[in-house]
Amino acid sequence: AQTVTQSQPEMSVQEAETVTLSCTYDTSENNYYLFWYKQPPSRQMILVIRQEAYKQQNATENRFSVNFQKAAKSFSLKISDSQLGDTAMYFCAAIDNNAGNMLTFGGGTRLMVKP
Amino acid sequence: DAGVIQSPRHEVTEMGQEVTLRCKPISGHNSLFWYRQTMMRGLELLIYFNNNVPIDDSGMPEDRFSAKMPNASFSTLKIQPSEPRDSAVYFCASSLLAGANVLTFGAGSRLTVL
Repeated sequence: AQTVTQSQPEMSVQEAETVTLSCTYDTSENNYYLFWYKQPPSRQMILVIRQEAYKQQNATENRFSVNFQKAAKSFSLKISDSQLGDTAMYFCAAIDNNAGNMLTFGGGTRLMVKP
Repeated sequence: DAGVIQSPRHEVTEMGQEVTLRCKPISGHNSLFWYRQTMMRGLELLIYFNNNVPIDDSGMPEDRFSAKMPNASFSTLKIQPSEPRDSAVYFCASSLLAGANVLTFGAGSRLTVL
């Protein structure tokens, strides 16, 4: 079984600055995927970024990047040049390929971007 | 593609009534998931299907909950009888069983049981 932990219930950042959201996970598998999803007030779950565990290179999507530390089972999300539209709940999640596509979520971090 | 389509978006009902939530996955996707989101418990997987077959329903709270997937393009989640503690947002998501494993979520159905 997998567990995903987000230790920061809430965070805030000034517009244009950089913020890092933390996530740790626990799995006994070697083959898995990690994700960050964003849930704005509209409540739609939107994929932000994805990381394959077998890849050492950190994934990057425009202003979003991850710091994937496999040995430490850490998967943090960095948002650069924060924008007001980044205000949302952010969920870290993991899929264990040996358990179908079951996505296990962390508890979420509420991010507020301040003007 | 219109994405994952869920209905209704909002439902308000009284305790004891039957509730049916509906989901149309993305065409071609062969895995479908039902999640429930509450403030207290976060996002919980209720059940998922691969190729229309239920694989894991261990997250279904109790016998009042049931889910079906009669074909590749339609699934239902039924609560009978409903209780106030069932109030939550219910998400349906779909993905390809193989490949990148990215789940695409619907907009969710907000259920309020009075």
